[in-house]
Amino acid sequence: QLQLQLSGPGLVKPSETLSLTCTVSGGSISSSSHFWGWIRQPPGKGLEWIGNIYYSGSTYYYPSLKSRVTMSVDTSKNQFSLRLSSVTAADTAVYYCARVDATWGPAYGLSPGGVDVWGQGTTVTVSS
Amino acid sequence: DIVMTQSPDSLAVSLGERATINCKSSQSVLYSSNNKNYLAWYQQKPGQPPKLLIYWASTRESGVPDRISGSGSGTDFTLTISSLQADDVALYYCQQYYTTPQTFGQGTKVEIK
Repeated sequence: QLQLQLSGPGLVKPSETLSLTCTVSGGSISSSSHFWGWIRQPPGKGLEWIGNIYYSGSTYYYPSLKSRVTMSVDTSKNQFSLRLSSVTAADTAVYYCARVDATWGPAYGLSPGGVDVWGQGTTVTVSS
Repeated sequence: DIVMTQSPDSLAVSLGERATINCKSSQSVLYSSNNKNYLAWYQQKPGQPPKLLIYWASTRESGVPDRISGSGSGTDFTLTISSLQADDVALYYCQQYYTTPQTFGQGTKVEIK
């Protein structure tokens, strides 16, 4: 059974870079049937899609975060990572890593679909 | 961006009764080439990550009880819990994956009356 283990600091200072890594176990990150994704949930609020990455390195990012987001994949370690730069208090949230179905979509061909496996989530607080 | 709007924001239903949650997208999420609706439903309980319930608007994820069903097409979708159980108390979200950025509804809280 595939599991996702999230690691990274729970506290980040304003203007610094948030870095999270998700380790995949029980499956391969090089699966052609899946993307890997990041979703966040600010305190008391709903879900916000951050973006997805394919094992080949192709990415989809939320436009409003695109200038600050970098996602990467390390197939040798079966890990994928998120970096969010210049963080502010508005970036305080529970961050989830996820496995996403790869589908054939109308806009881009091979595209991320629904999330079928979620990591447990980690709370990241931006504060000095 | 495609805006997903759920209604109601919350509902209270007696045990054994039907619960219905609506989700409306600001543009169609039906792809005519394959006749599929690019819509999923998730359930989230306090302190837990969301759990996939339904994808392609009406396909139940493995292990999801058959009292939970999804329907709809185009821009209007419904999640139905035919006979509410205590275990169904949660927040429910719809999500479109027709295009990026993927977007979620604001969530609907289901409680026991």
